[in-house]
Formats: sequence, C-alpha cells, structure tokens
Amino acid sequence: AQKITQTQPGMFVQEKEAVTLDCTYDTSDQSYGLFWYKQPSSGEMIFLIYQGSYDEQNATEGRYSLNFQKARKSANLVISASQLGDSAMYFCAMREGRWAGTASKLTFGTGTRLQVTL
Amino acid sequence: DGGITQSPKYLFRKEGQNVTLSCEQNLNHDAMYWYRQDPGQGLRLIYYSQIVNDFQKGDIAEGYSVSREKKESFPLTVTSAQKNPTAFYLCASRDSEYGYTFGSGTRLTVV
Repeated sequence: AQKITQTQPGMFVQEKEAVTLDCTYDTSDQSYGLFWYKQPSSGEMIFLIYQGSYDEQNATEGRYSLNFQKARKSANLVISASQLGDSAMYFCAMREGRWAGTASKLTFGTGTRLQVTL
Repeated sequence: DGGITQSPKYLFRKEGQNVTLSCEQNLNHDAMYWYRQDPGQGLRLIYYSQIVNDFQKGDIAEGYSVSREKKESFPLTVTSAQKNPTAFYLCASRDSEYGYTFGSGTRLTVV
C-alpha cells in the first residue's frame, strides 16, 4: 500500500487565489512527521512546512498552511494568494517513528504539478 | 554558508560503466541519504547512513553502492548492475526533527 498518496497529478490556480493540494498518508506509528516540499524546474527541494503527529495546531508558514486531519490521515497543503513563482512540483512526505536516534527516512508521494495562471 | 554540494550537476555514463556521484556537506549532520527521482515521480530512497562507517539499504538499493568514511562525505556509485540508471539523484542530510537539507542534484544519463 502507498504510504503517501497525492491524487492530483496537476492543478491550475489563478494568481492571487488560494489552492489546496491533497495528501493522505498511511502509518501505524503514533509518532511521525509530515512535510511539504516545493521542487521548481531546477530540481532543488525547498522545504515549505512541517507538522508533527502530536502537534495540536495546524502548522503555518507565511502563505503556507497545513490542514492536518489526523483521524482521516490527511495533511493537505493550502497556499493562499498564489503567485506566479509558486508554479512548481509539490511533494508531500512522511517520516515514520520518532526522529531522534532513528534513521528518520522520508517517504515521498508522487507529487502535484501546480501551474499558476494570470 | 553551510549546505550540501553535489557534483557533477550533469553526468553521462556509457553502458557497462560504473560512475560515482559526489555528496559533501559542511553542516555537521550525522544522517545522510541518497534518493532517486524519475521523471514525473516522487523520490525513492536508495541508501542512508546514520553515522560514519555505517549505512543501510533503502527501497531501491540494487545496482548501487555507497561508503561513509567521513562525516562530511557520502558518495554514491552507480554500478553496471543498475539496468536503468538514467534519473535525477538527490543527496540529503538531517540534524533535527524536520531539519532535512537537500543538495541541488545530479542528472545522470546513459548514452
């Protein structure tokens, strides 16, 4: 079974609008972390936002927020006020288990390509 | 500035050749990782290392080898046993709960 599922291969959004990128995950661990990364065409992985499984509040970082619904095992990324520079691939990833003293491997979804239009 | 340096940026390999991708970090991170990315796909873990002189296979280790003789360096060798090596390779390191740092990647093409 897929551990990270991103069901939207591509999304379009108009500039200045908000967009939600979906991510569902599967784990039996109680302690885990969820990440969103942005990958522009240059290939670098840019960290956007992180949510720990025990964090009660949804994470926010500037225009990015993570809609964490633990019971539904979803961790959707919300980008507010989209900009042309937001056009890129977006990956959801998960670290299973406690981060300290373990390998803390990341498992990635297949990504969503976001295109911001005028 | 601290970071991860991957070299070369582009690499061409002839069939049957071994090639080595370099990954160097000056972040003093213990854990390091190698990922492979195919076009339109997510990242898949090849190998990882938690400390010097120790490394483990990831999900797609066949046809690859690594070494971790120094904390700063985690080179990846793509051997001739890897039948489809054309891909984008990313190296990463970690120092905290969410402190993963990625290199800028190496694009390997078989010619």
